[in-house]
Amino acid sequence: DAGVTQSPTHLIKTRGQQVTLRCSPKSGHDTVSWYQQALGQGPQFIFQYYEEEERQRGNFPDRFSGHQFPNYSSELNVNALLLGDSALYLCASSGGISNQPQHFGDGTRLSIL
Amino acid sequence: DQQVKQNSPSLSVQEGRISILNCDYTNSMFDYFLWYKKYPAEGPTFLISISSIKDKNEDGRFTVFLNKSAKHLSLHIVPSQPGDSAVYFCAASGLGGNNRKLIWGLGTSLAVNP
Repeated sequence: DAGVTQSPTHLIKTRGQQVTLRCSPKSGHDTVSWYQQALGQGPQFIFQYYEEEERQRGNFPDRFSGHQFPNYSSELNVNALLLGDSALYLCASSGGISNQPQHFGDGTRLSIL
Repeated sequence: DQQVKQNSPSLSVQEGRISILNCDYTNSMFDYFLWYKKYPAEGPTFLISISSIKDKNEDGRFTVFLNKSAKHLSLHIVPSQPGDSAVYFCAASGLGGNNRKLIWGLGTSLAVNP
């Protein structure tokens, strides 16, 4: 039973570029959430997708956008990259039953030069 | 404004002894709390959770205690093992539990010494 998988594992970009990160949820899960974790910090909620729609959003600018596909996989897109976007980006999936914990992938380490 | 606070950045414990990790929160709307463990280069791994209608939840060596009046929860690990060495995050959510955004503390780095 595959868990949450994310790709790529590492990525290096330069300021102003655009990036797309991908996530496949754990089997049986239909909800995907994205988090940004800066060094020495806890993860910060970016947004959550369910039924191919953005359901909740954290305090992130519109440069951060996402998508969920019919197979529940998801993409995170970041435009006009800034140095401050350098972080670990975590994807978490969860099922429709309440009070079930979110399961995380190993993340994508994004470095902006 | 940090709504979930883990005031101890690090903790060192001897193997076999009890590890106690603490977490405080400020938002009384939180009704579901979770502890995650994180190793370097891996994503957070769920450990244990507790709903606000309970004051204790136990799973093997891990027990979480919730004191709603003090807005405080703690994770007890007994007995501690070297493999428990990791960063532990406390997280909270409101309005019905899981499928809501998680608000995280900064983490506590636990070192269990053989």
